[in-house]
Amino acid sequence: GDSVTQMEGPVTLSEEAFLTINCTYTATGYPSLFWYVQYPGEGLQLLLKATKADDKGSNKGFEATYRKETTSFHLEKGSVQVSDSAVYFCALSPLLNYGGATNKLIFGTGTLLAVQP
Amino acid sequence: DARVTQTPRHKVTEMGQEVTMRCQPILGHNTVFWYRQTMMQGLELLAYFRNRAPLDDSGMPKDRFSAEMPDATLATLKIQPSEPRDSAVYFCASGPYPGLAGGRSSYNEQFFGPGTRLTVL
Repeated sequence: GDSVTQMEGPVTLSEEAFLTINCTYTATGYPSLFWYVQYPGEGLQLLLKATKADDKGSNKGFEATYRKETTSFHLEKGSVQVSDSAVYFCALSPLLNYGGATNKLIFGTGTLLAVQP
Repeated sequence: DARVTQTPRHKVTEMGQEVTMRCQPILGHNTVFWYRQTMMQGLELLAYFRNRAPLDDSGMPKDRFSAEMPDATLATLKIQPSEPRDSAVYFCASGPYPGLAGGRSSYNEQFFGPGTRLTVL
């Protein structure tokens, strides 16, 4: 079945360091791909998304590119801040059998990012 | 600013008691999801509703959990009787159903509430 695998954390970085959180997926066809972020004590919120191959999602300095050939959607940021400390979830929204869309999401296990000043 | 609301935000109860958690989805959203988050299991999908009808509740322990949508503005998750292993944060999420637009629909997001932190003693 469809699944998402993301790197285990915690990832600990110093402020202004470069961030990569790896995410790969297994799915049929072209699912939509998402990164959600969860700040301490809060619910998940959408960070960025991509709906087709080679699309780049971006928001708040974060970027991820939908790579069909490597089935990946790695999250990157050029310079992290202390305020980026959170848990990051990669997710996919699978296609239905007849090609229709759904908003049911399959999540990875989450990666804790800790940014130190 | 439309948001998903959940009540209560925190609940402490004793084993064997009934617990009811409530969720108000964003107006106009016709899909609702219930998740449970724990350190050990991560984020688990418990139930999924579309147009108030349950589509998938395979992740929910049927003997003690029940989920309903009495109307379009209210979703409930009930545990009876509660057990210490039910201690977790329970999230509700809502979204607009993308319909038959195909996999490139831009309407397949979910919007999460702040969660209910449940502690069963």
